[in-house]
Amino acid sequence: AQSVTQPDIHITVSEGASLELRCNYSYGATPYLFWYVQSPGQGLQLLLKYFSGDTLVQGIKGFEAEFKRSQSSFNLRKPSVHWSDAAEYFCAAPGGYQKVTFGTGTKLQVIP
Amino acid sequence: DVKVTQSSRYLVKRTGEKVFLECVQDMDHENMFWYRQDPGLGLRLIYFSYDVKMKEKGDIPEGYSVSREKKERFSLILESASTNQTSMYLCASSLGDRGYEQYFGPGTRLTVT
Repeated sequence: AQSVTQPDIHITVSEGASLELRCNYSYGATPYLFWYVQSPGQGLQLLLKYFSGDTLVQGIKGFEAEFKRSQSSFNLRKPSVHWSDAAEYFCAAPGGYQKVTFGTGTKLQVIP
Repeated sequence: DVKVTQSSRYLVKRTGEKVFLECVQDMDHENMFWYRQDPGLGLRLIYFSYDVKMKEKGDIPEGYSVSREKKERFSLILESASTNQTSMYLCASSLGDRGYEQYFGPGTRLTVT
């Protein structure tokens, strides 16, 4: 099973600024990777997924992520952050048959 | 839209009580999951069910049991609640061939005193 690491527990950005959330994975073969978002008081929602092919993946809410095998990374990006993007973001990878292993999460704070 | 509902948003129970957390999904998903979420630990899988009456232990099954008598409903049971089970509990579901694309309920915040 793959595992993922999110090195940043908490990140603060100004509204309108660009965002990059880091995720590192450990696995030998081509991995499957995901980003989920949890808005305050809500469950998690799938933002985007990478299975194979194009290394730049587009998701919902204007987010994208880039798979970089050389860096074992799958970082989440957004060119201009909105106040409604304040949430906790989880990188994830398959953790066995039909299961997902989640990273520990990065909490995003957006300041006006 | 897929909808996953959980029976309670907030629950307060006493040590030693038997606790039932209910989860219902309306999209005919084969897979259902129970996680607990704790600060700094992310989500940890408690139990997973891939079909009615079928279950599989996750990473932290100790102190918990589950029941899936109908496809749409997955219950988490704390036989004798303890204070270290105070946590946020999240239910999720997914299609049988897309286990990685999970749909989550809003969570139940359980406090055991």
